[in-house]
Amino acid sequence: SYELTQAPSVSVSPGQTARITCSGDALPKQYAHWYQQKPGQAPVLVIYKDTERPSGIPQRFSGSSSGTTLTLTISGVQTEDEADYYCQSADSSGTYWVFGGGTKLTVL
Amino acid sequence: QMQLQESGPGLVKPSQTLSLTCTVSGGSITSGGYYWSWLRQHPGKGLEWIGFISYSGSTHYNPSLKSRVTISLDTSQNQFSLKLTSVTAADTVVYYCARGVYHMLSGYYIDYWGQGTLVTVSS
Repeated sequence: SYELTQAPSVSVSPGQTARITCSGDALPKQYAHWYQQKPGQAPVLVIYKDTERPSGIPQRFSGSSSGTTLTLTISGVQTEDEADYYCQSADSSGTYWVFGGGTKLTVL
Repeated sequence: QMQLQESGPGLVKPSQTLSLTCTVSGGSITSGGYYWSWLRQHPGKGLEWIGFISYSGSTHYNPSLKSRVTISLDTSQNQFSLKLTSVTAADTVVYYCARGVYHMLSGYYIDYWGQGTLVTVSS
């Protein structure tokens, strides 16, 4: 079965830049998306279609893709950005969808 | 404002069928381009896509769950439902209903989520 791989955790200080990556063999062929999830809450879409930002999401959130690696960048991290972040995409044939294991962002 | 709300029993016995309903407000489930989805999450762990049903009633399921899952629409109530048969303790997770967007130019992603409901499988 297809998998997306994320590092379990990333730590940054407030004001720094956080980069969260997601790797998967099908990422060159399939669009991917990012979700933010805070404790006890449902996920929130922060990036879709690799690089697009939904309305209402702060400009400090951006996405990029290169080969089999997807990156979510949070510039000028704020304490409120502390959360779990999940990437999501499809297998190479686009027949089912999977999430990465999630990355816990800690803002020190 | 689109809102989704899950409802259903919080406790199901092993081997029985889990049934959940999602009530949609702020929009019609027959609106084109949207895919009414179910996902789940083990507490403290990652997300799993269960499947979706389109506005026209076509379904698509996670291959790992396909033999046990049925998703259906009730357009008169603006609701959609999940049935998962032959449940075990491994199905004790938080279940989310959600609105999916699916297009060949964007892939599939979730733009609205319900708050989630914990279902425990236990005798």
